[in-house]
Amino acid sequence: DGGITQSPKYLFRKEGQNVTLSCEQNLNHDAMYWYRQDPGQGLRLIYYSQIVNDFQKGDIAEGYSVSREKKESFPLTVTSAQKNPTAFYLCASRETGDGGYTFGSGTRLTVV
Amino acid sequence: EDQVTQSPEALRLQEGESSSLNCSYTVSGLRGLFWYRQDPGKGPEFLFTLYSAGEEKEKERLKATLTKKESFLHITAPKPEDSATYLCAVPPEGGATNKLIFGTGTLLAVQP
Repeated sequence: DGGITQSPKYLFRKEGQNVTLSCEQNLNHDAMYWYRQDPGQGLRLIYYSQIVNDFQKGDIAEGYSVSREKKESFPLTVTSAQKNPTAFYLCASRETGDGGYTFGSGTRLTVV
Repeated sequence: EDQVTQSPEALRLQEGESSSLNCSYTVSGLRGLFWYRQDPGKGPEFLFTLYSAGEEKEKERLKATLTKKESFLHITAPKPEDSATYLCAVPPEGGATNKLIFGTGTLLAVQP
C-alpha cells in the first residue's frame, strides 16, 4: 500500500542535542511538507519541498533544517537552536496540482 | 493575514444527534477548501476538497458544503466512531496552492 512513513513514533531529546525525524513516501508525490502541531493551535508549516534538491522555509523554520536528496525522503532535523521543540510533528506529501495532502502518522518529540 | 476559524472548538453529541461544524475563512479567490479527520496521536486523514460555492460532497454520514466565506461539515446520525478532531484548511491568498493554512479544529465526541 502506498503511504507516508514517519519514524520514530516517539522521540526524546536532551537539551543541546540535534535530532532527526524521518519521513519516507512511496506515493511518487513531488511535494513534501513538515508541519508542527501544538495543543490549541493549527498546524504550522516548518519547511516544504516541491522538487528534489529544492526546499523553502515555511512560517516557523527557525531552529529546523531539512534536505531533499531523494524524491521519496524528506528528513527534518530539530537543532539545538529550536528553543521549544516539544510538539507533534507531521510530514505530508501531495501530488502536483490542487489535491489534498496525505499525512504520515506523526512523531511526538519531547525534550527531557 | 489569511485566517481559518473553526467553531465550535468542541462538540459533544449523543449517538444519532445530527449537527454541523463550521469553518470560516478570510482569503479571497478561494482555490480549494480541504477537510480532514484526525484521531488522537495520528496524522490527519483527508476527507473532502471543495472548490466553488454551492458545491457539496458526501462520505457516509458526513456532508461538506461551501459558501463564499465558510464551509460546513454536516454530520447526520453520528456514531461513536465518528469521534475525532475535524480540521479544515485553505491555500493562502495570492500564493502558490502548495501550502495550506489550517484551522485549530473541532473536537467531536459522540456518546453512545
